[in-house]
Amino acid sequence: DIQMTQSPSSLSASVGDRVTITCRASQNINDYLNWYQQKSGKAPKLLIYAASNLESGVPSRFSGSGSGTDFTLTIDSLQPEDVATYYCQQSFTTYSFGQGTRLEIK
Amino acid sequence: QVQLVQSAGEVKKPGASVKVSCKTSGYTFTSYGINWVRQAPGQGLEWMAWISGYNGNTNYAQRFQGRLTVTTDTSTSTAYMELRSLRSDDTAVYYCVKEGRFCPSTSCYGTQYHYYMGVWGEGTTVTV
Repeated sequence: DIQMTQSPSSLSASVGDRVTITCRASQNINDYLNWYQQKSGKAPKLLIYAASNLESGVPSRFSGSGSGTDFTLTIDSLQPEDVATYYCQQSFTTYSFGQGTRLEIK
Repeated sequence: QVQLVQSAGEVKKPGASVKVSCKTSGYTFTSYGINWVRQAPGQGLEWMAWISGYNGNTNYAQRFQGRLTVTTDTSTSTAYMELRSLRSDDTAVYYCVKEGRFCPSTSCYGTQYHYYMGVWGEGTTVTV
């Protein structure tokens, strides 16, 4: 099974900050990597698919990059509504998720 | 628009079974698969299974093999998830999710597609 490891597990940032969340796969997954946002009490929502493709309707301050084993989700100019837990997920072989990164506003 | 409406929450005793339904609308059911994902209280997301909306082919996470069955009813565009021999650690919110797929080139087949969890149901709480 492919293990996905996110870092950090939690972070606190100020409105307007640039935030970076990383995700590492235990083996090469090319660009079969997706990112999701889950707000408290809600179902997750797709943000980024195939490592760098922004889902329709997602604000352009969100972006994804990476290939192989190392990936990044970046939020430019953090907004209060971005408070959530973020998950990476590989789809190279079936699916597995990272453990999540909880993002708070400082 | 695409919608996935799940059945109401359930409370079960250890050893019992639970069957969760997921009624879909707004897209051609037979063109996409459905995934089942669960989330225990305060924990992360766990993929459980996938079923093809086209032919009913399935793929299960190893840890649920033998205890989990996912099915579809194409006449009603509904997917089902049945988990048996429930334990207390099966207490979770269970989500059905319509798969999405992306082709990074002008044409794709098979594994060239990138799959993702496109549209999520609202979740069904199962308490054991």
